[in-house]
Amino acid sequence: QQQVKQSPQSLIVQKGGISIINCAYENTAFDYFPWYQQFPGKGPALLIAIRPDVSEKKEGRFTISFNKSAKQFSLHIMDSQPGDSATYFCAASSVSGGYNKLIFGAGTRLAVHP
Amino acid sequence: DVKVTQSSRYLVKRTGEKVFLECVQDMDHENMFWYRQDPGLGLRLIYFSYDVKMKEKGDIPEGYSVSREKKERFSLILESASTNQTSMYLCASSRLQYEQYFGPGTRLTVT
Repeated sequence: QQQVKQSPQSLIVQKGGISIINCAYENTAFDYFPWYQQFPGKGPALLIAIRPDVSEKKEGRFTISFNKSAKQFSLHIMDSQPGDSATYFCAASSVSGGYNKLIFGAGTRLAVHP
Repeated sequence: DVKVTQSSRYLVKRTGEKVFLECVQDMDHENMFWYRQDPGLGLRLIYFSYDVKMKEKGDIPEGYSVSREKKERFSLILESASTNQTSMYLCASSRLQYEQYFGPGTRLTVT
């Protein structure tokens, strides 16, 4: 049972374009929503994160938009560059059995063409 | 610079073998995690530990066990490897639950 649904599975964007990756969740107890970036041969690394009391967070070319009522959040990469080509995972943090856990989406493979 | 290292990048084992995957972190983090990564399924939590000698089951613990004898080391054990355990295994550590630092992964093939 996938608690965080991520789309699309893969994405091709031209250099300079906007990359948009979407995630949806059902559990309203989730209290933190990070995005991880994974390059080939590497482990995922935290890219940017947001709490549900904020509608948008921007760090450089990366922006998270959060819609609490729709239970959706998305990652926007402005002016996409070939170096942004990677797999992106959205995640949600929840408390289960007294412990915080991260629930990851299925991932989006982004290719930015020059 | 924070670092999580995993004992092997690639591993090939036979069905029925006992397999040990080792993970070491040098950040003095209390929390450590083991995930497996499969295409289309994302990262799924196998086991985690919030303290030495302590372990908790994640979402897919069947067929796996773990050991944490020292704070910096967290081992994943496949008691009797099966072909459906062929996967990429990722170790992570954190001080805060959501800021997890991942190792480079071990690609395990069970034949």
